Amino acid sequence: QKEVEQDPGPLSVPEGAIVSLNCTYSNSAFQYFMWYRQYSRKGPELLMYTYSSGNKEDGRFTAQVDKSSKYISLFIRDSQPSDSATYLCAMTWGGGYQKVTFGTGTKLQVIP
Amino acid sequence: GAVVSQHPSRVICKSGTSVKIECRSLDFQATTMFWYRQFPKQSLMLMATSNEGSKATYEQGVEKDKFLINHASLTLSTLTVTSAHPEDSSFYICSARVWQAATDTQYFGPGTRLTVL
Repeated sequence: QKEVEQDPGPLSVPEGAIVSLNCTYSNSAFQYFMWYRQYSRKGPELLMYTYSSGNKEDGRFTAQVDKSSKYISLFIRDSQPSDSATYLCAMTWGGGYQKVTFGTGTKLQVIP
Repeated sequence: GAVVSQHPSRVICKSGTSVKIECRSLDFQATTMFWYRQFPKQSLMLMATSNEGSKATYEQGVEKDKFLINHASLTLSTLTVTSAHPEDSSFYICSARVWQAATDTQYFGPGTRLTVL
């Protein structure tokens, strides 16, 4: 079993839709959770960073963490064509000095 | 946010040659940098952790003599792929630890696409 499971998609939605991206994990030691956005042939860009259960909102993005269920989500409201990218969930048990374990990424396409 | 750069962005080389990739933190000092590789449609796999002034720590299965890492300053880490072969063709991405405000995480460079002929 992989430490982090993420549906690879692809996920196609119409512009303006609410997008839900999810990951499950098996290692209860993970304490810090991130979402990265990666455009084709580019490095990952940090979108959200959280270390507690609950919701964290930043603009159109909301990150949700449920440590009891080992489940994290990223919601994108009012999705735009520019949101089309691969979204990677990532997690670590320590701070930035620790190895980050990534999900395989979900490819999102927002259709105008 | 913190900016991490990589050079070159793309390199094509012949089998048997060595290739050096640079990773720089542009507006901050990075005591810890990381090197990842990513195959098409796969996630990032950590290769090694690079600490300034000390030897890199390699992940299991990564040949340290083939992938030489040097973190000579607080803003520069280099990855040298020695005697490259076609199976080394991949997307190599570095990241740097950033600790600011309440966030202690990694920021990534734009990646280097290596093609070995």
